[in-house]
Amino acid sequence: ETGVTQSPTHLIKTRGQQVTLRCSSQSGHNTVSWYQQALGQGPQFIFQYYREEENGRGNFPPRFSGLQFPNYSSELNVNALELDDSALYLCASSLRTHNEQFFGPGTRLTVL
Amino acid sequence: QQQVKQSPQSLIVQKGGISIINCAYENTAFDYFPWYQQFPGKGPALLIAIRPDVSEKKEGRFTISFNKSAKQFSLHIMDSQPGDSATYFCAASRETSYDKVIFGPGTSLSVIP
Repeated sequence: ETGVTQSPTHLIKTRGQQVTLRCSSQSGHNTVSWYQQALGQGPQFIFQYYREEENGRGNFPPRFSGLQFPNYSSELNVNALELDDSALYLCASSLRTHNEQFFGPGTRLTVL
Repeated sequence: QQQVKQSPQSLIVQKGGISIINCAYENTAFDYFPWYQQFPGKGPALLIAIRPDVSEKKEGRFTISFNKSAKQFSLHIMDSQPGDSATYFCAASRETSYDKVIFGPGTSLSVIP
């Protein structure tokens, strides 16, 4: 069984740029959730995808967007990067019928 | 109402001691309460979870105590070991709506030999 994987591991961008983060869900999982974890804080829910559609969104602006593909992998896109977007971005996969989420190692984004 | 509060912010325990982390929630619709353990540079890993139909759940050295009327729950780590040193997050969600998981701010646990 393959766990949740994320790429890249680290990323450095400048303010105003755009970034795409990728996530491969655990084998058999059909739901993907994205979280932002600022340094020293708990993860904050960004949005969730099920059957390639956004299914719930946290308090994040529209410049945060996502995709889910037929193989259940997912992307998180952030446009017009701001300094406060610097954080660890976590992807979690789960089965639709279960709330138990399995997290990937995260992508560390630094915005300069 | 969506907030999950957690204390203490940091905790230092001697090896063999009991580590206790407390959490409180406001939304009575929450019905699934997981605890996550996170090591530096890693994503959170599910440690143990409880639903409000039971008051206590034990898995090895880890025990969750749940007080539905007080809207509080806590994690007890018995016989704490240096390998338990990590950040612990309590969380809550509405399982029946497959809703997002709301995390507490975390507790940094250091177990000293």
